[in-house]
Amino acid sequence: ILNVEQSPQSLHVQEGDSTNFTCSFPSSNFYALHWYRWETAKSPEALFVMTLNGDEKKKGRISATLNTKEGYSYLYIKGSQPEDSATYLCAFMSNSGYALNFGKGTSLLVTP
Amino acid sequence: NAGVTQTPKFQVLKTGQSMTLQCAQDMNHNSMYWYRQDPGMGLRLIYYSASEGTTDKGEVPNGYNVSRLNKREFSLRLESAAPSQTSVYFCASSEAIRESYEQYFGPGTRLTVT
Repeated sequence: ILNVEQSPQSLHVQEGDSTNFTCSFPSSNFYALHWYRWETAKSPEALFVMTLNGDEKKKGRISATLNTKEGYSYLYIKGSQPEDSATYLCAFMSNSGYALNFGKGTSLLVTP
Repeated sequence: NAGVTQTPKFQVLKTGQSMTLQCAQDMNHNSMYWYRQDPGMGLRLIYYSASEGTTDKGEVPNGYNVSRLNKREFSLRLESAAPSQTSVYFCASSEAIRESYEQYFGPGTRLTVT
């Protein structure tokens, strides 16, 4: 079992605020880091799959960075909207196995 | 294009009963997975199938069996259900298991064992 930690556990911001969360994972044997967005009563949907140290990916107002040497990834949301309210999951894959190891998620609530 | 489908959506079992959760994908993906989601825990991998004809244990396989019936379908069986298996079960698929492909998740099956 590989330890993947996400912080904060939950976050409440106002519409228009920018926010970010952290995913920490083992810095050795890195293969890939996934980010998923999980809305209530739906199933998780992929945001990013990141494989290279220094990778930065962007999708609309959401972006992510990756530091494999120190074992962390940041997810940023610029100008949060109520529809961004969801749980954001990160998942780590090592190069010694096939499993995605999921963190417990960061629950984001954006209020108007 | 339905993506990943799961049946049933909800199920209540008595301790000791058996049942099979069905999963199918129409994206021609090679790899399929079964996860469980419990309160306060991340998604945990039960079993996976890297390709048609192969299955392997994940983090929490005890009490479960799987069958990769064909490329489209991957079922999860509880032979003798226990209250500890009360959970939400998600099936997922991806193009391949070792390449950096995202996983696509089904809508989940909420199982209660009394």
